[in-house]
Amino acid sequence: AQSVTQLDSQVPVFEEAPVELRCNYSSSVSVYLFWYVQYPNQGLQLLLKYLSGSTLVKGINGFEAEFNKSQTSFHLRKPSVHISDTAEYFCAVSYTGGFKTIFGAGTRLFVKA
Amino acid sequence: DVKVTQSSRYLVKRTGEKVFLECVQDMDHENMFWYRQDPGLGLRLIYFSYDVKMKEKGDIPEGYSVSREKKERFSLILESASTNQTSMYLCASTPYQQGLTNTGELFFGEGSRLTVL
Repeated sequence: AQSVTQLDSQVPVFEEAPVELRCNYSSSVSVYLFWYVQYPNQGLQLLLKYLSGSTLVKGINGFEAEFNKSQTSFHLRKPSVHISDTAEYFCAVSYTGGFKTIFGAGTRLFVKA
Repeated sequence: DVKVTQSSRYLVKRTGEKVFLECVQDMDHENMFWYRQDPGLGLRLIYFSYDVKMKEKGDIPEGYSVSREKKERFSLILESASTNQTSMYLCASTPYQQGLTNTGELFFGEGSRLTVL
């Protein structure tokens, strides 16, 4: 079965420190990969997506992610976080020929002053 | 600005009640989705619709039904609410894409938090 695993349920980090949120997916076919962010009491919004081409994808708010096909990973990174980055982050994947987008369990990022 | 609007942000219902969750999008999108969000489980797909009057079961359809009478509106119905349906419900939409593949962004509403007592 297709699945997405976010390896950390919570990530505490100090302001201005770098952060990496890890995501692995199961697949043997072509995939499209996404990171979404959910701020408190809001819906999800897209941070970035990988469809094809360059494996390093840049998104909004200074985030970027790298697609690694051999390791089936799509880790999200930011070199310097802000308090305002405190939110829940979801990795998601969709597959060629399929309607569904499959989400990971989410990672709560806490940025401390 | 694109918009997916869920009619109720917070609802409290009693066990056995019939519950309607409404979702409207103004982007002329063909595809609409209902997800359920629970801590530690992420988002799980309940139902989706790729056209008016068309619906497909997602991963957890039991206890739910849907209605799509107009392109812009997708309703989730709990025929007889139970306490294990207490959750956050998220509606989303995407435009039609060739090959029925979701390569695009899901546009989400702000969610409806349902508590069943």
